[in-house]
Amino acid sequence: KAGVTQTPRYLIKTRGQQVTLSCSPISGHRSVSWYQQTPGQGLQFLFEYFSETQRNKGNFPGRFSGRQFSNSRSEMNVSTLELGDSALYLCASSGWGSGDEVGNEQFFGPGTRLTVL
Amino acid sequence: GNSVTQMEGPVTLSEEAFLTINCTYTATGYPSLFWYVQYPGEGLQLLLKATKADDKGSNKGFEATYRKETTSFHLEKGSVQVSDSAVYFCALSPLEGGKLIFGQGTELSVKP
Repeated sequence: KAGVTQTPRYLIKTRGQQVTLSCSPISGHRSVSWYQQTPGQGLQFLFEYFSETQRNKGNFPGRFSGRQFSNSRSEMNVSTLELGDSALYLCASSGWGSGDEVGNEQFFGPGTRLTVL
Repeated sequence: GNSVTQMEGPVTLSEEAFLTINCTYTATGYPSLFWYVQYPGEGLQLLLKATKADDKGSNKGFEATYRKETTSFHLEKGSVQVSDSAVYFCALSPLEGGKLIFGQGTELSVKP
C-alpha cells in the first residue's frame, strides 16, 4: 500500500496570511490525525477526523481547523498566521474505528514544514 | 490526565554499546504503548508497539516491555549501530483512541 502523503512539503508564509495543508491517508484508513511539532513544545495533537467528522480535538486556538472528505483525504487550515505557527505539521492515518484496531497504530506522512515570516 | 515522560537527551554512545531509553507514562486504564523513530528531515516511523500489560514489542533488534506495575515502557537494544542515530519518541494511545500522546523525544547519536 502507498503510505501517507502530505502536500506541500515546504511552505513559506507571512504573518496574517492563511494556509491550507493536505493529507492523503493510506488506502482503507478512515482516521486521520494532525500533529504540530516544534523544538520547544515537541509533538502536540491538533485534531482527529473519522468519516468526515472531527472526533478528537487538542488544545489549539480556533485559528486551527480541519476537515475530511468522503475519500478520507484531509486538510487543515491555519488562519491569521503567527510567527509561533512555524513548525512541522504531521499527518497520520490509522485503521482505528474501521475494524482494523491494532491498538491505534498510526502511520505518519513526511510532514509539511511551515515557516512564517 | 494522560502523559508520557522520557529520559532527556542527547544520548551519545559508541557503536555496539547497549542502549536504554527510559519511558514512563500516566494514563487511565491500559493504553496502547508505542516507540516511534524520526530520522533527520523525515516523519515518524513506528518502531514497535505493545497493546496490553506484559506484552513485549520488538523490531530491528529493539525491544520494550509493557510494565503495568511500574507504568513503564523502556526501549532497549543490545548493540547499537551508527545508523540508529535518530530521535526516539515514546507514545501512548488512550483507550478512546484517535490520538497519540508523545514524550518529549530522546536524541540518540552513535559514534563509530
